[in-house]
Amino acid sequence: DAEITQSPRHKITETGRQVTLACHQTWNHNNMFWYRQDLGHGLRLIHYSYGVQDTNKGEVSDGYSVSRSNTEDLPLTLESAASSQTSVYFCASAQGEGRSSDTQYFGPGTRLTVL
Amino acid sequence: AQKITQTQPGMFVQEKEAVTLDCTYDTSDPSYGLFWYKQPSSGEMIFLIYQGSYDQQNATEGRYSLNFQKARKSANLVISASQLGDSAMYFCAMRERAGGATNKLIFGTGTLLAVQP
Repeated sequence: DAEITQSPRHKITETGRQVTLACHQTWNHNNMFWYRQDLGHGLRLIHYSYGVQDTNKGEVSDGYSVSRSNTEDLPLTLESAASSQTSVYFCASAQGEGRSSDTQYFGPGTRLTVL
Repeated sequence: AQKITQTQPGMFVQEKEAVTLDCTYDTSDPSYGLFWYKQPSSGEMIFLIYQGSYDQQNATEGRYSLNFQKARKSANLVISASQLGDSAMYFCAMRERAGGATNKLIFGTGTLLAVQP
């Protein structure tokens, strides 16, 4: 079955370290998204991609970067981790068919703690 | 600016009863989509139901239905015959702009539903 996976599921790191969170989908979806979830804020968009070599900044992109070298993967990199980046991170993908009904499907999430 | 508001931080409902989770939105775009997601304690985000702004009928998916009142800009989720497994956080979301390449979602802050036996 097609799916979307994230790794690692849990990560503890230290302030200042570079961290990369992986996202892999097998639906052949064009669109991929990274969100962070914090109490009281719902989900906020970090970065998104509409296809290979395309990346765009979201609402809370400072301190994060992404690259899209193939359809299946959109890794999220924290260049220099900060305690404020302690959060749960969700990756999502969507067909990208341009319809209002185009649904985003989410990965299981990665819980990141920055000490 | 487009915005989603969920005014109920938490709710209780008795098992087998119906419950309505509120969602209001703000947009100037005539074409938009509204989504509800469920997040159980295990953490995953599960898509429940979708409503398009031009849909003539309210969306339904099993025990889930969406009470869409366009003039009031509300898209409330109705869960009929609540089950213990419905206990979860529920998020309302809106597609920022329908059509074309834009596909971003704006989320509300969620409503935590607890189903009591």
